[in-house]
Amino acid sequence: EDQVTQSPEALRLQEGESSSLNCSYTVSGLRGLFWYRQDPGKGPEFLFTLYSAGEEKEKERLKATLTKKESFLHITAPKPEDSATYLCAVRANSGYALNFGKGTSLLVTP
Amino acid sequence: DAGVTQSPTHLIKTRGQQVTLRCSPKSGHDTVSWYQQALGQGPQFIFQYYEEEERQRGNFPDRFSGHQFPNYSSELNVNALLLGDSALYLCASSSTNQETQYFGPGTRLLVL
Repeated sequence: EDQVTQSPEALRLQEGESSSLNCSYTVSGLRGLFWYRQDPGKGPEFLFTLYSAGEEKEKERLKATLTKKESFLHITAPKPEDSATYLCAVRANSGYALNFGKGTSLLVTP
Repeated sequence: DAGVTQSPTHLIKTRGQQVTLRCSPKSGHDTVSWYQQALGQGPQFIFQYYEEEERQRGNFPDRFSGHQFPNYSSELNVNALLLGDSALYLCASSSTNQETQYFGPGTRLLVL
């Protein structure tokens, strides 16, 4: 059965203090790994799709990387507006569903 | 370019009632998926509709049913509501030639 585990559950950073969020996964044939950002009470906002080990994608202060067992979301010099819950999801080759982790709640303080 | 839209934004029902939630996909998308998100949890896949047929279903009881219309919009119906059905219901749309699912703002359902 596909499984996605995100760590830490919560992370508090000072503005400018870089860090990484982890997403460990097991899936029978990875079709894609997805990162989303979710603000309280709103729908997830798409950030990145990664397809194969070694792939990296960047957007502003965020960089996502992928290995055969995990993905990292690196946040460089975060700002308070980066505060949100970050969700990781995988899609298997055999299906269409996204299987999500529980998310990492990030708080960036000034 | 309009994104995914959902209605209503909020809904309050009592146990045993039935509810219908609606979703319009992003322009150019033909596939709609529904997810349930309990507080503090990640979204859970309910089902996906493509070409007006249910293409895949998650681990949800038959009380959860859906429909897709020729214009690709979709409805989620939940019968015999339970307190545990209280959650944020998310609709996501995608197209057949790209992997990414784009989410709407959700419908917050409270069952009393």
